[in-house]
Amino acid sequence: AQSVTQLDSQVPVFEEAPVELRCNYSSSVSVYLFWYVQYPNQGLQLLLKYLSGSTLVKGINGFEAEFNKSQTSFHLRKPSVHISDTAEYFCAAFPSGGYQKVTFGIGTKLQVIP
Amino acid sequence: ETGVTQTPRHLVMGMTNKKSLKCEQHLGHNAMYWYKQSAKKPLELMFVYSLEERVENNSVPSRFSPECPNSSHLFLHLHTLQPEDSALYLCASSQEGSPLHFGNGTRLTVT
Repeated sequence: AQSVTQLDSQVPVFEEAPVELRCNYSSSVSVYLFWYVQYPNQGLQLLLKYLSGSTLVKGINGFEAEFNKSQTSFHLRKPSVHISDTAEYFCAAFPSGGYQKVTFGIGTKLQVIP
Repeated sequence: ETGVTQTPRHLVMGMTNKKSLKCEQHLGHNAMYWYKQSAKKPLELMFVYSLEERVENNSVPSRFSPECPNSSHLFLHLHTLQPEDSALYLCASSQEGSPLHFGNGTRLTVT
């Protein structure tokens, strides 16, 4: 079994400022890690994923995340946010094998202030 | 066209009604899922179908009844719901080892 913790429920940030959304996980087996974004009245859209290989993963809309095994973290970053990045962001983990049993974090609401 | 389509987008029903949520995926995936999304709670996995067989049922009350007639379609039949069942119900699909693809959800309100 695994668990995912998103440490911040809400993150306000000014437009064009950098942002980091934090995610920590715990698992007894190897996991794959994901970030999803949810815009109002929509479902979840995959932002980026870490399966293996390079620990720095680049996703859509200028976001990137870094897998840190020693700190069991997978923080999401963007160097300069835009108003359109206002949404809720979910970190997720699932075990690397078998059918998917994904565990989601509780979500972080990013509010970009003009 | 999105890969996963859910209908209806909004549903209001009384506690004695019977209704169904529909999900269709156009991605050729072999697994489909129902999730419940409530405010200030993590997404709750309700049911998983893999190759049209139910492989996961996370202690969901019997007033929720899933149906997967084929690999492209998934239904959630609802009856005698409670107000606390009001939530966003999300359908997703995947191919084993690949990320979930979500629909836009059905916003359910139980009155």
